[in-house]
Amino acid sequence: KQEVTQIPAALSVPEGENLVLNCSFTDSAIYNLQWFRQDPGKGLTSLLLIQSSQREQTSGRLNASLDKSSGRSTLYIAASQPGDSATYLCALGGGGKLIFGQGTELSVKP
Amino acid sequence: NAGVTQTPKFQVLKTGQSMTLQCAQDMNHNSMYWYRQDPGMGLRLIYYSASEGTTDKGEVPNGYNVSRLNKREFSLRLESAAPSQTSVYFCASSPASLGTGSVWQYFGPGTRLTVT
Repeated sequence: KQEVTQIPAALSVPEGENLVLNCSFTDSAIYNLQWFRQDPGKGLTSLLLIQSSQREQTSGRLNASLDKSSGRSTLYIAASQPGDSATYLCALGGGGKLIFGQGTELSVKP
Repeated sequence: NAGVTQTPKFQVLKTGQSMTLQCAQDMNHNSMYWYRQDPGMGLRLIYYSASEGTTDKGEVPNGYNVSRLNKREFSLRLESAAPSQTSVYFCASSPASLGTGSVWQYFGPGTRLTVT
């Protein structure tokens, strides 16, 4: 059974720092991996999607990588801003469904 | 475009009551999904519909029923609500079924349900 783990559960950083969020999974048989952002009391917004054949995707200050052999994905946020404060979730697509991690709650302090 | 819309936004039920959560999308997507989100548990798939007229169970289907009314609408029904069903419910849609390629899922704003 696929299990998805995100560590740490919460992270607080000063504005301007570069940071990395981690997502690990137990089964490398995946179709794709998505990173989402969730603001308090809101729905989920898709940030990046990496196909299983790809190693990374970039969008603005965000860069997501995928290493299936080690069962890991990272989300790199450059030059963090207070507006980046939110919960970030990774989700693995495969077998007809998405399996989510528990999320990392990020707080960027001015 | 409104994207994915859900009604109601908030609901309080007593144990044993029934209700239907509504979801609609205007993106002409084939697939629709219902998730629940609980603290510390992430999102878990309740039911999904790969196309109009088909539905399948997800990870936590017990206590729920769904209807894919047409391509736009996918409803979730609680026949006899229990306190364990207190959660935030999200509807999502995507252009194609999971596992068939690189497709995005688009989420609604959620319904916050409390069962007392």
